[in-house]
Amino acid sequence: GAGVSQTPSNKVTEKGKYVELRCDPISGHTALYWYRQSLGQGPEFLIYFQGTGAADDSGLPNDRFFAVRPEGSVSTLKIQRTERGDSAVYLCASSSTGSYNEQFFGPGTRLTVL
Amino acid sequence: QKEVEQNSGPLSVPEGAIASLNCTYSDRVSQSFFWYRQYSGKSPELIMSIYSNGDKEDGRFTAQLNKASQYVSLLIRDSQPSDSATYLCAVNREGSQGNLIFGKGTKLSVKP
Repeated sequence: GAGVSQTPSNKVTEKGKYVELRCDPISGHTALYWYRQSLGQGPEFLIYFQGTGAADDSGLPNDRFFAVRPEGSVSTLKIQRTERGDSAVYLCASSSTGSYNEQFFGPGTRLTVL
Repeated sequence: QKEVEQNSGPLSVPEGAIASLNCTYSDRVSQSFFWYRQYSGKSPELIMSIYSNGDKEDGRFTAQLNKASQYVSLLIRDSQPSDSATYLCAVNREGSQGNLIFGKGTKLSVKP
């Protein structure tokens, strides 16, 4: 079956602009996760949803970052007033109920802030 | 102390040998442990999960967990050049099953 999909695959923006990154989880997966990964580092947790609600948003670095999942499927990560330090690969993952939280990652969105 | 520590490598092994990858973690109450493989320029791919002390085998891969020592390892038997990648260890954060803490990864190189 289809895996996690993310769009766009690449996004180049200018400092101060607003960006939206989209994630479409594996069909039937109830939990959805956002991470970001910088070069040479492991993924860093941002937020995860169980259904429509954010179960843990402790990894969002500041109030410029916001994520939604209004219908419990597709999620959008929104970044306002982008900064050069936001440049990274943004990864989305999903997992099914009762799977002991085995998370399956999408291909990622590479965000570059100029 | 870093939350999840891995030797960055590179770890170089000859084809057909056993590759041993190690990971230590600081959170004593972590319950879920994962190994991901990440090829250069690609996203992480889940290869093993383990939740209780002892060994878990899946094909050429064996995960080992020792909660008392806060240690988890991954053995790859009969290593192949296609196993060359970065291996990421991940552990759930206390109080949040969905919040995984990743190590920086160990780069494995399998030489033909």
